[in-house]
Amino acid sequence: GAGVSQTPSNKVTEKGKYVELRCDPISGHTALYWYRQSLGQGPEFLIYFQGTGAADDSGLPNDRFFAVRPEGSVSTLKIQRTERGDSAVYLCASSKRTSGGTDTQYFGPGTRLTVL
Amino acid sequence: DAKTTQPPSMDCAEGRAANLPCNHSTISGNEYVYWYRQIHSQGPQYIIHGLKNNETNEMASLIITEDRKSSTLILPHATLRDTAVYYCIVRVAGGSQGNLIFGKGTKLSVKP
Repeated sequence: GAGVSQTPSNKVTEKGKYVELRCDPISGHTALYWYRQSLGQGPEFLIYFQGTGAADDSGLPNDRFFAVRPEGSVSTLKIQRTERGDSAVYLCASSKRTSGGTDTQYFGPGTRLTVL
Repeated sequence: DAKTTQPPSMDCAEGRAANLPCNHSTISGNEYVYWYRQIHSQGPQYIIHGLKNNETNEMASLIITEDRKSSTLILPHATLRDTAVYYCIVRVAGGSQGNLIFGKGTKLSVKP
């Protein structure tokens, strides 16, 4: 079946601009995660949704970052007033998130954001 | 901070077994060991996970020591396409904390 998809695959923007990054999770997966990966580093957690609500947003670096998942499926990561330090690959993952048991996360290909 | 320790890099000859070690000496009884890999310019790919028993699937085998303080991921016949960064992660499955905590992983280079 289809995996996690992310659009766009690449985004170039100018400092100060607003950007939106989209994630389509695997059908039926109730949990959705956003991570950010800088060059040479492992992915770092940003925010986790269970259904429509953000269950954990402790990884968001500041209030310029915001994410929504209004219908419990597609999610959008929004970055206001972008800075050059926001340049990174933004990864999305989803899981079935069953209670008890394991809930393996499956990742999308990522969106490479470049802020000039 | 990541709760695992891995060597930064390893080499393996094509066709040979690749054995990737991971130390997780502070692992709790309800934490699983997960392995992901990331091929250049792609998202992380799930490989395998386990709690205390050894596990095997079509991609790899996971050997967990009896005290659960370390584990080894085994790729039985490495190919050039297995060149990637391999991440060992411990986490409570299904708990309130959803995120994976990635360290720097092991960069595996499979050579012809």
